[in-house]
Amino acid sequence: AQTVTQSQPEMSVQEAETVTLSCTYDTSESNYYLFWYKQPPSRQMILVIRQEAYKQQNATENRFSVNFQKAAKSFSLKISDSQLGDTAMYFCAFMKLNFGNEKLTFGTGTRLTIIP
Amino acid sequence: DAGVIQSPRHEVTEMGQEVTLRCKPISGHNSLFWYRQTMMRGLELLIYFNNNVPIDDSGMPEDRFSAKMPNASFSTLKIQPSEPRDSAVYFCASLRDSPYEQYFGPGTRLTVT
Repeated sequence: AQTVTQSQPEMSVQEAETVTLSCTYDTSESNYYLFWYKQPPSRQMILVIRQEAYKQQNATENRFSVNFQKAAKSFSLKISDSQLGDTAMYFCAFMKLNFGNEKLTFGTGTRLTIIP
Repeated sequence: DAGVIQSPRHEVTEMGQEVTLRCKPISGHNSLFWYRQTMMRGLELLIYFNNNVPIDDSGMPEDRFSAKMPNASFSTLKIQPSEPRDSAVYFCASLRDSPYEQYFGPGTRLTVT
């Protein structure tokens, strides 16, 4: 079974600074996806970014980018120029491709606080 | 696109009552998931469907919980009878194929007194 580990339960950073959230996963699969989700105080789960394992290029979405190290099974999220609205729980998730049997395995989350 | 729609957004009920949560996935998405989130247990996958067929219900806590997906645009999660320990936020999500992306509904906050 796949496992996802987020070793930082809480983090805080000053507004406008850059912060990196860590995620490692354990799998024997070669074909999979990785995701980061954001859950602000509103409780809505928002997809932040997606990375396909077969792609060597790291995904980016505006101020959000990932550092995907396949051999190390590491998938960190970098938030640049952090904003107060980035305050949220962040969940890393893994999904193997399985012919209609796809499901996500989530980490326990990192609570990020942006300090004004 | 309206996104994943869940109803009701909030539900308060008394112990022993039946509760039905509803979900409309995004059109064209073939997989649907029900999750439960609590402070103590975090985010738990209860059950998921692919093409309206239940694939894995091993996360359903007990027989009081049941889920159906009668067609591609509607699913229900039912708790009968409800208990205070069922109080949680219940999320529905649907999965898009190629590229794969899972989208969550806004959740239903259930309180059982």
